[in-house]
Amino acid sequence: NAGVTQTPKFQVLKTGQSMTLQCAQDMNHEYMSWYRQDPGMGLRLIHYSVGAGITDQGEVPNGYNVSRSTTEDFPLRLLSAAPSQTSVYFCASTQVGVGLDGYTFGSGTRLTVV
Amino acid sequence: KQEVTQIPAALSVPEGENLVLNCSFTDSAIYNLQWFRQDPGKGLTSLLLIQSSQREQTSGRLNASLDKSSGRSTLYIAASQPGDSATYLCAVQFNDMRFGAGTRLTVKP
Repeated sequence: NAGVTQTPKFQVLKTGQSMTLQCAQDMNHEYMSWYRQDPGMGLRLIHYSVGAGITDQGEVPNGYNVSRSTTEDFPLRLLSAAPSQTSVYFCASTQVGVGLDGYTFGSGTRLTVV
Repeated sequence: KQEVTQIPAALSVPEGENLVLNCSFTDSAIYNLQWFRQDPGKGLTSLLLIQSSQREQTSGRLNASLDKSSGRSTLYIAASQPGDSATYLCAVQFNDMRFGAGTRLTVKP
């Protein structure tokens, strides 16, 4: 049981480049979300999804797009990378609503935009 | 909008001390509260999950309490060890999960 898998673990982008951060879970969780973590600011919610075909914005959605075509996958797209998007990105999943098992997190993607 | 605050931001204690980390939240409408541990450069490891109907949860030397009406949770660590050094994050879940900024704990040998 792999849990939540994020790829890549590290990435360096040039300003203006685009890329997709991958997230996959094998626990049949309906809810998936993306966070970014910056020093001294904790984790901030970017986008989330309560099921296939449904996505919504979190606290800091600007500059990011998501889609949810399957229950397992929830990719995060940066269309035109900016230095302000340098951060560590975490994907998480849980059951919808009550969250009986709490959240399970991936190991993170460390992104640097130069 | 849910706001989660953790106090103190950093804490340094000698080995063997008992300690308390604090978490407060502004909206009592939550499904659960979760405490995580994060080591430098690593991901989040779930420590304890307290459902909204529960008052506390225990795991080994860790005990977490929840007072939903006052918007507070505490994480109690007994007989601290150098291996407990890490950042501890609390998070509350309703429609999404909101995090505090964390408490960075250092336990000195």
